Amino acid sequence: DTEVTQTPKHLVMGMTNKKSLKCEQHMGHRAMYWYKQKAKKPPELMFVYSYEKLSINESVPSRFSPECPNSSLLNLHLHALQPEDSALYLCASSQEGGPPRGEQFFGPGTRLTVL
Amino acid sequence: GESVGLHLPTLSVQEGDNSIINCAYSNSASDYFIWYKQESGKGPQFIIDIRSNMDKRQGQRVTVLLNKTVKHLSLQIAATQPGDSAVYFCAETTKGFQKLVFGTGTRLLVSP
Repeated sequence: DTEVTQTPKHLVMGMTNKKSLKCEQHMGHRAMYWYKQKAKKPPELMFVYSYEKLSINESVPSRFSPECPNSSLLNLHLHALQPEDSALYLCASSQEGGPPRGEQFFGPGTRLTVL
Repeated sequence: GESVGLHLPTLSVQEGDNSIINCAYSNSASDYFIWYKQESGKGPQFIIDIRSNMDKRQGQRVTVLLNKTVKHLSLQIAATQPGDSAVYFCAETTKGFQKLVFGTGTRLLVSP
């Protein structure tokens, strides 16, 4: 299995709602990532988990709360979001330690709309 | 031709042409670079990578060139096909290969 899966594919939520995005991989990767991508822009790193521990937080607002329950799963909990948080949220995973094949494998993303 | 403006830079080519997509990276300390292809509605897909101790690497129909002196990366696609139409991002890594920083992206449009 060489795939990163993300659910849901689309999510519409109000500013007072609480929702969660889910990501799963079964490649044995020990690093997992959340990115945010606005239209016509490159992905921007939000969080990195390494061996199930948060290793990088790119100064993301606390209304985004990541969680890594085990080495295959990554969640992003959303609460009190703003309309400007509407974007494509991408999950990725990689082998720990980088090259020779340090590429990050990306999921298809969750398209989030905040009303 | 190539255009830059309020939208993504776009490269329009005919099927069968060779395409060259350019990228200027920002961090002289970056030592690993990746090209990703992103089709509409999908996540980025790995194309080819190169380490900073190399200046050229070839894959199937693709070649990446790295010029560290001017911090420039290019992706060459031979015999471009309509299926190559997508947005292409270069990415550089720092912080032990975990922090992947993407370039602005180039849209490639291939006409049959």
